[in-house]
Amino acid sequence: GAVVSQHPSRVICKSGTSVKIECRSLDFQATTMFWYRQFPKQSLMLMATSNEGSKATYEQGVEKDKFLINHASLTLSTLTVTSAHPEDSSFYICSAGGTSDYNEQFFGPGTRLTVL
Amino acid sequence: GQNIDQPTEMTATEGAIVQINCTYQTSGFNGLFWYQQHAGEAPTFLSYNVLDGLEEKGRFSSFLSRSKGYSYLLLKELQMKDSASYLCAVLDSNYQLIWGAGTKLIIKP
Repeated sequence: GAVVSQHPSRVICKSGTSVKIECRSLDFQATTMFWYRQFPKQSLMLMATSNEGSKATYEQGVEKDKFLINHASLTLSTLTVTSAHPEDSSFYICSAGGTSDYNEQFFGPGTRLTVL
Repeated sequence: GQNIDQPTEMTATEGAIVQINCTYQTSGFNGLFWYQQHAGEAPTFLSYNVLDGLEEKGRFSSFLSRSKGYSYLLLKELQMKDSASYLCAVLDSNYQLIWGAGTKLIIKP
């Protein structure tokens, strides 16, 4: 099956610093990648949809200047959390559009961000 | 608005059968997914239904009734490793996934 990797799996940073998270589709080309955030005991919340070669589409309430998304190639999308604060601490998950007929999304393993 | 409802938590016994229900109200419908998520991990795909009826895949089955806006995930011969959250998600008319809050399933010996 399709494999999506994420790096790093876990990151701890100081308040005010920026953190970059990479999402890669390893064995297929993903025109579209999705970035989600999940707070403890809550459902996944879509942050933005990333399309290769174009600007990301952000969900309402998500600050595009704070969460910078770059989808430079068909196998790589990056999410940069700029000037991170403790309230940004969360589980960030990326997914890539499926290659099957039914739009299945393949999820990366997630990145646990802790901002001190 | 768009809404997906599923129970917050369920408990079942090892070896038994459990049914997790999901009801939805969305703008359009292009399919319903069930995902399994273990604590601290990303979701993994379990099933996809777009037509009414039952889809069976090993110990897991998923049912859909579009007219009722209803689906269920049926887990048979429960194993301890099945303890996880089960997420129901609907693909709306814009092909955007709308997520339920998930059902935490606790399996007891």
